[in-house]
Amino acid sequence: DVVLTQTPLSSPVTLGQPASITCRSSQSLVYNDGNTYLSWLQQRPGQPPRLLIYRIFKRFSGVPDRFSGSGAGTEFTLKISRVEAEDVGVYYCMQTLHFPYTFGQGTKLEIK
Amino acid sequence: QMKLQESGPGQVKPSGTLSLTCTVSGGSVSSSNWWSWVRQPPGKGLEWIGEVYHSGDTNYNPSLKGRVTISVDKSMNQFSLKLNSVTAADTAIYYCAYSGVDGFDIWGQGTIVIVSS
Repeated sequence: DVVLTQTPLSSPVTLGQPASITCRSSQSLVYNDGNTYLSWLQQRPGQPPRLLIYRIFKRFSGVPDRFSGSGAGTEFTLKISRVEAEDVGVYYCMQTLHFPYTFGQGTKLEIK
Repeated sequence: QMKLQESGPGQVKPSGTLSLTCTVSGGSVSSSNWWSWVRQPPGKGLEWIGEVYHSGDTNYNPSLKGRVTISVDKSMNQFSLKLNSVTAADTAIYYCAYSGVDGFDIWGQGTIVIVSS
């Protein structure tokens, strides 16, 4: 199975400050169509996961532009430019190239 | 806007079969995309269980060791999950999800299943 390793596992952030989460994959997530099948999901407390970013950097419909994704090959980053209170929750990276699809362990974002 | 809603028993006895249904509204299970089940044990991370296409083709997570069956019912606009020989380790929130071209972009609210006698 593809192992996705997220760092940090916990991220206390001051409101208005940036936050960054890294996801490293044990295998390349580049498909032969040239796309990289790495997504980022947000799970607010008591809610189902919500898609934020797909194919490394594409922001899903309705996602604020303070969220951005970057990276290539096996290392990827989710950045929040200015953290807001509603961003509290757990963030997961997910790969949908290799079976079985797998998730990172999750990074808990909390406000200092 | 498409919505997904899980339904099924909230408690299953050990060694029994967990059965859940996901009802699709505002869209069709006959569309050219995959329909997935994902679970989350209390306080833990996410695990992909498997997926089904409208043709009935499936892909499963080998970690479930052949205990899982996912099927689609086009007449009811639903897809279903069956997990047999359950143990306490199968206690989780079970989510159904739609994997469109953009990824897992629509999720149900989730349903809690507790394995207990």
